[in-house]
Amino acid sequence: ILNVEQSPQSLHVQEGDSTNFTCSFPSSNFYALHWYRWETAKSPEALFVMTLNGDEKKKGRISATLNTKEGYSYLYIKGSQPEDSATYLCAPHTDKLIFGTGTRLQVFP
Amino acid sequence: KAGVTQTPRYLIKTRGQQVTLSCSPISGHRSVSWYQQTPGQGLQFLFEYFSETQRNKGNFPGRFSGRQFSNSRSEMNVSTLELGDSALYLCASSLDRPGSSYEQYFGPGTRLTVT
Repeated sequence: ILNVEQSPQSLHVQEGDSTNFTCSFPSSNFYALHWYRWETAKSPEALFVMTLNGDEKKKGRISATLNTKEGYSYLYIKGSQPEDSATYLCAPHTDKLIFGTGTRLQVFP
Repeated sequence: KAGVTQTPRYLIKTRGQQVTLSCSPISGHRSVSWYQQTPGQGLQFLFEYFSETQRNKGNFPGRFSGRQFSNSRSEMNVSTLELGDSALYLCASSLDRPGSSYEQYFGPGTRLTVT
């Protein structure tokens, strides 16, 4: 069973701070690494789907990198805003998505 | 394009009863996956259906079952409910065609409470 770990479990930052989280997974055959953002009372929303070692994706102030050889992915948020407050989930995609327990981010004004 | 819809949104059942949850995927999406989320746990994969066939199954007891219809709509059933089945049940659909990203689109979930 693929064990996906995300750290930290939770994070509290001030508006304007930059932050990053880690997703670790055993290096093994997988199709892609997904990142999702899950706001309270809403549905998880896809941020990135990354497939290649060294891949880097960016959407506005949020970016992510992938290292398949060592089994980790980083998610970065530059200049955090209160609307970034959410739980961020990563999920390696083998024959199914295996989700980590997420990093809960709270950004205070 | 309409998103993934799930019905009902909230449900209260008693131990021992059975329940059926419904999921309508985004039009054109052929894959539907189901997940369970309980407090302190991540999203736990239940099963995936593709073209009316169960393609993958997670580590859940046989009380959890599902099916998919020809229009890609899916249902999941839980028989003989236990208190521990209280959870948020999410379904997600994806295009799942060669060349697609396999990105999953989630519904709003069904909150099941077992008393």
